[in-house]
Amino acid sequence: ETGVTQSPTHLIKTRGQQVTLRCSSQSGHNTVSWYQQALGQGPQFIFQYYREEENGRGNFPPRFSGLQFPNYSSELNVNALELDDSALYLCASSPGGSGGDEQYFGPGTRLTVT
Amino acid sequence: KQEVTQIPAALSVPEGENLVLNCSFTDSAIYNLQWFRQDPGKGLTSLLLIQSSQREQTSGRLNASLDKSSGRSTLYIAASQPGDSATYLCAVPEGGSWGKLQFGAGTQVVVTP
Repeated sequence: ETGVTQSPTHLIKTRGQQVTLRCSSQSGHNTVSWYQQALGQGPQFIFQYYREEENGRGNFPPRFSGLQFPNYSSELNVNALELDDSALYLCASSPGGSGGDEQYFGPGTRLTVT
Repeated sequence: KQEVTQIPAALSVPEGENLVLNCSFTDSAIYNLQWFRQDPGKGLTSLLLIQSSQREQTSGRLNASLDKSSGRSTLYIAASQPGDSATYLCAVPEGGSWGKLQFGAGTQVVVTP
């Protein structure tokens, strides 16, 4: 069984640029959530997708957007990057519905904005 | 709004000692509580998930207890090893049993040989 994978591992961008992060959920999981983790803090919820529809959003501006594809993989897009967007971005998948509650995380993408 | 707190923020113990990590939450109407381990710069590894109907959950040297009425969970790690050095986070979901996770800031553990 393949776990949650994320790409790329590391990324360096300049302020004002746009970035796309990718996540492949664990086999059989139809729910994907994205989190931002600043250094020394717990992860903060960005948004969740369930069967290709957004299913909840945290306190992040609209320049953070996402997609979930029919195979349940997902993308996180961030426009007009700011220095404060530098963080570890984590993707988590879960079976959703009656399939179970446990959420499984990927290794993360480290984004540095200069 | 659910708030999750972990105390202490950091902990250092000699190898062989038992570890006790605390997690508290403000809203006792939780579906479940999940404990994670995070190595520096890495993703989160799920350790244990306790359903709201359970009092405790065990896996190997790890035991997690849950007291909903007092808004507390405790993670015990028996006979600590240097490989247990990591940050441990607890999280509870909001808006559904597999919904948005509200995390504590974590407890950074160092086990010295």
